[in-house]
Amino acid sequence: QVQLVQSGAEVKKPGASVRVSCKASGYSFTTYYIHWVRQAPGQGLEWLGRIHPGVAFTTYAQKFQGRVTMTGDTSTRTVYMELSSLGSDDTAVYYCARSRGYADYEASDPWGQGTLVTVSS
Amino acid sequence: EIVLTQSPGTLSLSPGERATLSCRASQSVSSAYLAWYQQRPGQPPRLLIYGASSRATGIPDRFSGSGSGTDFSLTIARLEAEDFAVYYCQHYGTSQVTFGGGTKVEI
Repeated sequence: QVQLVQSGAEVKKPGASVRVSCKASGYSFTTYYIHWVRQAPGQGLEWLGRIHPGVAFTTYAQKFQGRVTMTGDTSTRTVYMELSSLGSDDTAVYYCARSRGYADYEASDPWGQGTLVTVSS
Repeated sequence: EIVLTQSPGTLSLSPGERATLSCRASQSVSSAYLAWYQQRPGQPPRLLIYGASSRATGIPDRFSGSGSGTDFSLTIARLEAEDFAVYYCQHYGTSQVTFGGGTKVEI
């Protein structure tokens, strides 16, 4: 079955960068977009961007342009999301999620289990 | 960027009752690109509805979506215990995906 498994929790200091991984299995890795979404404690969902691993095409949310980088490794079927210049308001659970279908614009299904990133001095 | 406003913020109901959740877009959007998700505490979101009215795989038929233009809704016909959760709408029809702020359905 389709599965996305994310890396473990991270604790970072303000100003640092964090890289979260998302390992995919059970489907053709190069065919579907992977999206990244975060959720601050007690808050709603916020989209960071997406990557198409097959062609390394990325789209980032305007809010995160210049601070987020998404990459993919087809040999390991893994997508990475790196966020730089971390501040306390970047403390959140970060999720990866696959596009439901092949098209450019699709809902997200399924989702990874989430990775807690804590930014604290 | 499409802004999605969900209402109410919290819906207090009992098992067996009907729940109707609203999602209003800041401008007209294609119903082909409106989704609903359910999130239980400590869990990732789960896709319920895509294309405004199509149920995702494995979603019970007590969940239904409708709407067009700027006004969309999610209806849960008869609430069951596992339906008490937070629900989010999402627009995914442009290169900037957006979510609504969520509606909590509580007992």
